[in-house]
Amino acid sequence: DAGITQSPRYKITETGRQVTLMCHQTWSHSYMFWYRQDLGHGLRLIYYSAAADITDKGEVPDGYVVSRSKTENFPLTLESATRSQTSVYFCASSALAGREGETQYFGPGTRLLVL
Amino acid sequence: QQQVKQSPQSLIVQKGGISIINCAYENTAFDYFPWYQQFPGKGPALLIAIRPDVSEKKEGRFTISFNKSAKQFSLHIMDSQPGDSATYFCAAHRGAGSYQLTFGKGTKLSVIP
Repeated sequence: DAGITQSPRYKITETGRQVTLMCHQTWSHSYMFWYRQDLGHGLRLIYYSAAADITDKGEVPDGYVVSRSKTENFPLTLESATRSQTSVYFCASSALAGREGETQYFGPGTRLLVL
Repeated sequence: QQQVKQSPQSLIVQKGGISIINCAYENTAFDYFPWYQQFPGKGPALLIAIRPDVSEKKEGRFTISFNKSAKQFSLHIMDSQPGDSATYFCAAHRGAGSYQLTFGKGTKLSVIP
């Protein structure tokens, strides 16, 4: 009963490097989301995906790339990390349909520090 | 543009007291209003949620009050306990055909003994 997992949990990188954050869910949820959490800003949506091979931008997509080749995985890539991307990143998923569909289940987060 | 405004940013309540967190929204298309609770070092987790066709929902010590005409909703935590100390986020679902949630900026609640 793993649910939704993220890796790594902590990451330190340098400006300009490429970083990939991984997200894996075992529920076969169709929808997956990436958020960043910063003090004073709450949770801001970066990208989301409605199904495999279907992704769309959220509120703050610049500097990030996502892919979703399999339903259970939704990696987030910072193509050239900047200090402003230092944050805590959360992956979430939700079911396909029904009243329960709106509930998003969050992973434990990845703390990223860009030096 | 922030579509869900949450207040206060932080709240200190004595054990046994009532904690009240308020949220206001602008988009009348929102159709589902959840509250998420987040403990330090953890991801947010759904606490309680309400739809706009009811004015109040209660689950244990947690109650959502919803005022559709004022476009406001609030979370009340009765008999607050130190274990309730966490950050609380209100959110709003964007309506049919969307699975996106718009979150408030969060309220850090500290319940002191």
